[in-house]
Amino acid sequence: AQSVTQLDSQVPVFEEAPVELRCNYSSSVSVYLFWYVQYPNQGLQLLLKYLSGSTLVKGINGFEAEFNKSQTSFHLRKPSVHISDTAEYFCAVVGGRNTDKLIFGTGTRLQVFP
Amino acid sequence: DVKVTQSSRYLVKRTGEKVFLECVQDMDHENMFWYRQDPGLGLRLIYFSYDVKMKEKGDIPEGYSVSREKKERFSLILESASTNQTSMYLCASNPLAREKKNIQYFGAGTRLSVL
Repeated sequence: AQSVTQLDSQVPVFEEAPVELRCNYSSSVSVYLFWYVQYPNQGLQLLLKYLSGSTLVKGINGFEAEFNKSQTSFHLRKPSVHISDTAEYFCAVVGGRNTDKLIFGTGTRLQVFP
Repeated sequence: DVKVTQSSRYLVKRTGEKVFLECVQDMDHENMFWYRQDPGLGLRLIYFSYDVKMKEKGDIPEGYSVSREKKERFSLILESASTNQTSMYLCASNPLAREKKNIQYFGAGTRLSVL
């Protein structure tokens, strides 16, 4: 069965510091992975996705993630965060073969301080 | 841009009331989803629809039903609201097109309080 684990429920960081949000997955089928961001009082929007090809995926707002098959990880990184990056971040994996459903992690709240 | 619109941002209802949450998407997407979002639990799938009048239970369907009479509209129904259904409800849609497969587009959410 597919599952996603986000070990950090909250990550506090100062502005302009680097950040890494961790995501580990379990999947018995081909792995398609996603990071979504939810800004306060908004729905989720796609940050980036890994479907195949290069293991380093670049997304919007300067974020990138690396697919690591041996460690079953898909960590999200940004070299220098801004106050406006304060949001909740969700990792997701496709829920199985021949399905359009996604399995979401429990989310990581990134809080950027000045 | 894809637009997924949820009819209400905030709703307050009483225990036992029948509640309708409406969601409309304007991109002719085949698939539509209803999730609830709770702190520490992430998003949990309630119901999923892959075509008009077609539906599939998600992980937590108990206490909910859905209706999809038109392709663009997907309604979530709480037959008899209870306090444990107080939550944020998110609607999403996604197309079958291969290049956008599995990418879901979300509405802004409806925060429901059941008193």
